[in-house]
Amino acid sequence: KNEVEQSPQNLTAQEGEFITINCSYSVGISALHWLQQHPGGGIVSLFMLSSGKKKHGRLIATINIQEKHSSLHITASQLSDSASYICVVRSGTYKYIFGTGTRLKVLA
Amino acid sequence: EAGVTQFPSHSVIEKGQTVTLRCDPISGHDNLYWYRRVMGKEIKFLLHFVKESKQDESGMPNNRFLAERTGGTYSTLKVQPAELEDSGVYFCASSPQVEFQLGPHEQYFGPGTRLTVT
Repeated sequence: KNEVEQSPQNLTAQEGEFITINCSYSVGISALHWLQQHPGGGIVSLFMLSSGKKKHGRLIATINIQEKHSSLHITASQLSDSASYICVVRSGTYKYIFGTGTRLKVLA
Repeated sequence: EAGVTQFPSHSVIEKGQTVTLRCDPISGHDNLYWYRRVMGKEIKFLLHFVKESKQDESGMPNNRFLAERTGGTYSTLKVQPAELEDSGVYFCASSPQVEFQLGPHEQYFGPGTRLTVT
């Protein structure tokens, strides 16, 4: 069993839909990151969370430390949101464990 | 086993000067990554080496930044000339996998170099 698991692995949505990507982890963490990677592109860190909720534009990230679970929500999805979304947990001083990733495709 | 090391830990330079950051990955790790966190913002990917080759440098902000990994061991990141907006913490990470794949895998991060441009 992976220490960091995401669901779903693949997701297709219609433009305008509300999207949720989930991340569950089994290790103790000091922080959790949500990253975005476009095909052939580099990685952009969307959020870093240690508790609660953060919002940036149409993106919302939440974390429940007790349940060891985080969600990434995209409201009013757009074609440009098509990318891979990666959950990364920081476990230990400088050890980062990457989730399996969720490939999102938004259709017109 | 030694972890990822970075040098220097902190560098203060004036605008227009040149600075070279060094990263020594964990021995045997083919993959080496550079990231940076500019003050108040999230971590951003800069580039990825597989051994001595640049696999992905799409995150490099502009041509004032030059990364090298001669011989596939340690890497340097040179900023020339430095600008005020280059201030931040530069992280290096390494991983043993041959090819970068979406997880699950681990990247071992160095302690970072704090760069201050005045």
